[in-house]
Amino acid sequence: DVKVTQSSRYLVKRTGEKVFLECVQDMDHENMFWYRQDPGLGLRLIYFSYDVKMKEKGDIPEGYSVSREKKERFSLILESASTNQTSMYLCASSSPGQIYEQYFGPGTRLTVT
Amino acid sequence: SQQGEEDPQALSIQEGENATMNCSYKTSINNLQWYRQNSGRGLVHLILIRSNEREKHSGRLRVTLDTSKKSSSLLITASRAADTASYFCATGGNQGGKLIFGQGTELSVKP
Repeated sequence: DVKVTQSSRYLVKRTGEKVFLECVQDMDHENMFWYRQDPGLGLRLIYFSYDVKMKEKGDIPEGYSVSREKKERFSLILESASTNQTSMYLCASSSPGQIYEQYFGPGTRLTVT
Repeated sequence: SQQGEEDPQALSIQEGENATMNCSYKTSINNLQWYRQNSGRGLVHLILIRSNEREKHSGRLRVTLDTSKKSSSLLITASRAADTASYFCATGGNQGGKLIFGQGTELSVKP
């Protein structure tokens, strides 16, 4: 079974802190995605990556950056956390052969105070 | 940008009843998928239907797709309390593996 893990289930950070959210998948998937999920807004795509060192902006990239140094790891970075970035963050991956079927991690609920 | 819109936003039924959720979308698609999310957890892929298909079954799940109306429905038959979750439709187009998710339907199945 595909396993996508995220570094933390719950995280509390202060405004202005730099925050790293890590995602690791164990199925050699080329494609990886970061979403945030907010009540009433569904899932919104922040960034995605089709290969190592490649990244593309999603629908809401402002205030975020990403890093993909290794195929299995995709990191989301909040350069200076703000209260409006309090949210559930979900990582997903998919393979080129089944590019539309995404496998999700359990999510990280981030609170910025 | 939000593509899919689910209807209803919330649905409460008794165990054994059928649950139907609808999804509408705006642009042309390559495929449409349904995902389930248990409370506070990640999403799990349920079923994918391609744009040239009209109906697909998987166990107690039945999905239909009407590309002329830009809509899809998910039917869960003989529901169980364990089906309680949020259900999301997601559309895939011509942008690689990128998906656009709807806002979800929250299903509650009472024993």
